[in-house]
Amino acid sequence: EVRMVESGGGLVQPGGSLRLSCAASEFTFSMYSVNWVRQAPGKGLEWVSSIDKSSSTISYADSVKGRFTISRDNAKNSLYLQMNGLRDEDTAVYYCARDLRVVGTTRVTHHYAMDLWGQGTTVTVSS
Amino acid sequence: HSALTQPASVSGSPGQSITLSCNGTSSDLGGDNYVSWYQQHPGKAPKVLIYDVSNRPLGVTDRFSGSKSGNTASLTISGLRAEDEADYYCCSYTDKSAFVFGTGTKVTVL
Repeated sequence: EVRMVESGGGLVQPGGSLRLSCAASEFTFSMYSVNWVRQAPGKGLEWVSSIDKSSSTISYADSVKGRFTISRDNAKNSLYLQMNGLRDEDTAVYYCARDLRVVGTTRVTHHYAMDLWGQGTTVTVSS
Repeated sequence: HSALTQPASVSGSPGQSITLSCNGTSSDLGGDNYVSWYQQHPGKAPKVLIYDVSNRPLGVTDRFSGSKSGNTASLTISGLRAEDEADYYCCSYTDKSAFVFGTGTKVTVL
């Protein structure tokens, strides 16, 4: 089954660190840009970070810049999010999601949309 | 980048059509046509409905359609069904190489 599975969430004190992982299966992970998106309890979706297929282009939301680091290991079909200096407002369900790739009759196109999401992992920042 | 603005709630009766709006700026919705829409049922991961303003991924019903005019994008749900009751989010890729989501609209089927 084509899927992405997050892990690594948990309870952490303010100022602490956590590393999230996302394992991809049954598709060629190295061909996709991937993202982290979070959702605070009862709130909407918030984009966190993106990384392209070769790790050459990385971007972050202003709210996490300088504290979070996205990375990937294509050999292990895995995406990571290192979160340092955690704050109460980082409490959320964290989803990994891949960018949409459309295979046409003559070419493959990549799109700025997310077509495959994991089930999410919960991060709670609290003392 | 501030979140795109969506109405908090929209409702309709089964069989009706409803349109959800999404307002942004020239830096996001008003730029390139990188607008997508997502449906999220409670406790579930989002599902993409529309990409590049008006394209549907394989497997998404044609009851969902998207459009854009200036800094406003819209999602229309035709032939409203009970299973369409969910939260809907618009999303845009911006001129800062970042994604920005909308505030979300809760759709209620009466």
